[in-house]
Amino acid sequence: QKEVEQNSGPLSVPEGAIASLNCTYSDRGSQSFFWYRQYSGKSPELIMFIYSNGDKEDGRFTAQLNKASQYVSLLIRDSQPSDSATYLCAVDTGRRALTFGSGTRLQVQP
Amino acid sequence: SAVISQKPSRDICQRGTSLTIQCQVDSQVTMMFWYRQQPGQSLTLIATANQGSEATYESGFVIDKFPISRPNLTFSTLTVSNMSPEDSSIYLCSSGFTYQETQYFGPGTRLLVL
Repeated sequence: QKEVEQNSGPLSVPEGAIASLNCTYSDRGSQSFFWYRQYSGKSPELIMFIYSNGDKEDGRFTAQLNKASQYVSLLIRDSQPSDSATYLCAVDTGRRALTFGSGTRLQVQP
Repeated sequence: SAVISQKPSRDICQRGTSLTIQCQVDSQVTMMFWYRQQPGQSLTLIATANQGSEATYESGFVIDKFPISRPNLTFSTLTVSNMSPEDSSIYLCSSGFTYQETQYFGPGTRLLVL
């Protein structure tokens, strides 16, 4: 079992819709959870981080964490074509270094 | 957030040679990390660069192949030694802040080994 799992996609949503990206992790001791966006040919860009159970909102983005079920999700409201990218879920198990999922490719159709 | 720069941005190298990649952060940071992203893959941690002591390597990565230096709190280098085509990847450095526990990535170094 991979430590951090994501559906590779592509996830295709129409412009203006809500995109829902999911991630599960295996280490119950994981403490911090991150979502990065990576455009083709670019380095990962931090979108959000979350430490506590529940929701965290930042603009069009909402991160959701459920430690009991070991999943973390990212919702993107009012999706735009510019949101088309690969979204990487990353987990810090306490060592400060991150373990990444394989990423979900999101396509927002105009 | 930190501003991180890397040099070179890309290089094409011959097998058997070595390449040193530099990573500079615009402020002092506690943690620096080196990752590899192979074509079409996600990021894999190579090592944690420790200031004043030897780097901590992940399983599958060894110091002889990927020597790392961290002479101060703003700078680190990664050397890819005795390269083979399998080393063709993007190499990324990142920094973390103790109080924020977030990591920001440099722009990456695209390496092609022929």
